[in-house]
Amino acid sequence: EAQVTQNPRYLITVTGKKLTVTCSQNMNHEYMSWYRQDPGLGLRQIYYSMNVEVTDKGDVPEGYKVSRKEKRNFPLILESPSPNQTSLYFCASIKTGGNTEAFFGQGTRLTVV
Amino acid sequence: AQKVTQAQTEISVVEKEDVTLDCVYETRDTTYYLFWYKQPPSGELVFLIRRNSFDEQNEISGRYSWNFQKSTSSFNFTITASQVVDSAVYFCALIGWNFNKFYFGSGTKLNVKP
Repeated sequence: EAQVTQNPRYLITVTGKKLTVTCSQNMNHEYMSWYRQDPGLGLRQIYYSMNVEVTDKGDVPEGYKVSRKEKRNFPLILESPSPNQTSLYFCASIKTGGNTEAFFGQGTRLTVV
Repeated sequence: AQKVTQAQTEISVVEKEDVTLDCVYETRDTTYYLFWYKQPPSGELVFLIRRNSFDEQNEISGRYSWNFQKSTSSFNFTITASQVVDSAVYFCALIGWNFNKFYFGSGTKLNVKP
């Protein structure tokens, strides 16, 4: 079954404590990206990756890092989380071409206190 | 610039009514892809449909149908005989030829009352 798996689904953490949200896809997709969803601001792109070792900033990259060491995984790293990073996060995986497919992970609800 | 507009912020209907969710987009790309996603109260984004810019065929899937019109840059979504389980926020989104980024509309919250 085609899947994008994010972990954890829910996380409450404290300001400054480094955390990683993992994202894994089993569809061999090249493109992956991270979005955050906030009330009134909609879904905004944080980072995207076009392939292994190729990443680039989206609209709101400040405070985040990513890596793409292998095709299936695209973790989102918050080195020093702050309360304004409290949000609902989504990982997306995209198959390119005429039969484009795009799937999202289940979402991660992050609260930084 | 790419942009997706969902002018309806919230719609309330009674069960079994038909409802249409509007989506208007702007893009300069000649190749692009349009999507609809459903976000139930549990929060996940559920894929509903994808349409390529070069395929204007309308589509029907059960109670769902989609009307894609390039002439008006619209990709509207109709639910026939709505049900309470259809209550959710629905997002229309566009991705361009380079696949780098989704452009989402602001979403339409659909409330279906019994």
